[in-house]
Amino acid sequence: EVQLVESGGGLVQPGGSLRLSCAASGFTVSTNYMNWVRQAPGKGLEWVSVIYSGGKTYYADSVRGRFTISRDNSKNTLYLQMNSLRAEDTAVYYCARDDTYDIWGPGTMVTVSS
Amino acid sequence: QLVLTQSPSASASLGASVKLTCTLSSRHSSYAIAWHQQQPEKGPRYLMKLNRDGSHSKGDGIPDRFSGSSSGAERYLTISSLQSEDEADYYCQTWDTGIQVFGGGTKLTVL
Repeated sequence: EVQLVESGGGLVQPGGSLRLSCAASGFTVSTNYMNWVRQAPGKGLEWVSVIYSGGKTYYADSVRGRFTISRDNSKNTLYLQMNSLRAEDTAVYYCARDDTYDIWGPGTMVTVSS
Repeated sequence: QLVLTQSPSASASLGASVKLTCTLSSRHSSYAIAWHQQQPEKGPRYLMKLNRDGSHSKGDGIPDRFSGSSSGAERYLTISSLQSEDEADYYCQTWDTGIQVFGGGTKLTVL
């Protein structure tokens, strides 16, 4: 079965760090574009970052310089390292496949609060 | 700037049809988009990729009641024979090199 499962969310203080994981099954992460998207409580979807199959990475202005997307081909897993977290980063974080987001994970909640 | 515009809300009666609109910024009127559904308290679900010529490819298990069409910079999602479970937020989404964009979403109410 083709699926994505996120993990690593939780409660973190402002200025703290967190690493999210997105485990893929049924397909190969490294041969696809992979995205992170977030949704703040009661808000719409916001793109966060993409890693292309060739390894090039891009970020939304709101997270550039603080977040890093990466993948481990041996584990078929996508990651999002989040540093210098702010209250406005509080959201459910989803990983999704390709330009069309044809596969979504169920999401993991990140809460930034003191 | 690549922008997608959606109406915030729409409503239609049970069993009727509804057509949701997503408008691309004028300079990007040829771009393909994707439609996604988010039911209350659930994660998003991919519905279809919709091309400029109206051709579309749906995700696994998406009912025939869901279809897409295009006209100029507008991309449409039509849902026929509305059911209660179609009440959800609907997002359009597109992409270019180094950027991904979501519309603000349309909240569909089934009356």
